[in-house]
Amino acid sequence: EIKVVESGGGLVKPGGSLRLSCAGSGFDFSGFSMNWVRQAPGKGLEWVSSISRSSSYINYADSVRGRFTIFRDNAKSSLYLQMDSLRAEDSALYYCARSTSSAFDCWGQGTLVIVSS
Amino acid sequence: DIVLTQSPATLSLSPGERATLSCRASQDITSYLSWYRQKPGQAPRLLISDASNRATGVPARFSGSGSGTDFTLTISSLEPEDFGVYYCQQRSAWPITFGQGTRLEIK
Repeated sequence: EIKVVESGGGLVKPGGSLRLSCAGSGFDFSGFSMNWVRQAPGKGLEWVSSISRSSSYINYADSVRGRFTIFRDNAKSSLYLQMDSLRAEDSALYYCARSTSSAFDCWGQGTLVIVSS
Repeated sequence: DIVLTQSPATLSLSPGERATLSCRASQDITSYLSWYRQKPGQAPRLLISDASNRATGVPARFSGSGSGTDFTLTISSLEPEDFGVYYCQQRSAWPITFGQGTRLEIK
């Protein structure tokens, strides 16, 4: 079964840091670009960041650029999101998603990040 | 950034009826458009990629059409399980953007 599973969410104070992880299984992780998408409570989907198969190409939403870092370890079939200088508006359910050339075809169940004092 | 505008915001229809959801892009995205459905408490699920290609396991009652700036997701005959929020997404240019969603309610 093709699966991605996120972990690492939690409660953090404004200005703090958190690292999210996403473990892929059931597929050749190194053969796919990977992404983070977030969803604030009761809101729509917001793309956060994408990384290519070999980490050669990385993109960020303006809202997180300079504060978040996406990286991957293909040997561990894992994707990460290092989140620094967190703000209240970063509070959301963070999804990891695999992408083909066309779309995000496999999503995890998400990990919840709450930024609050 | 490319803005995707979905309409209507909410759609309430009965089983067996036809649903037509619209997604309009603020600039030409050729066919780089996907559709997802999200049910409460669940992750989004890919339905359509490249404007008209059904994802694996998606029933034939779902179809996508359009190119350029205007796109449509059609559900030919609604089933009770088709409720949820439907999002369109463009991958024509960075940043990747999503529409605000259309909530489909089944009467």
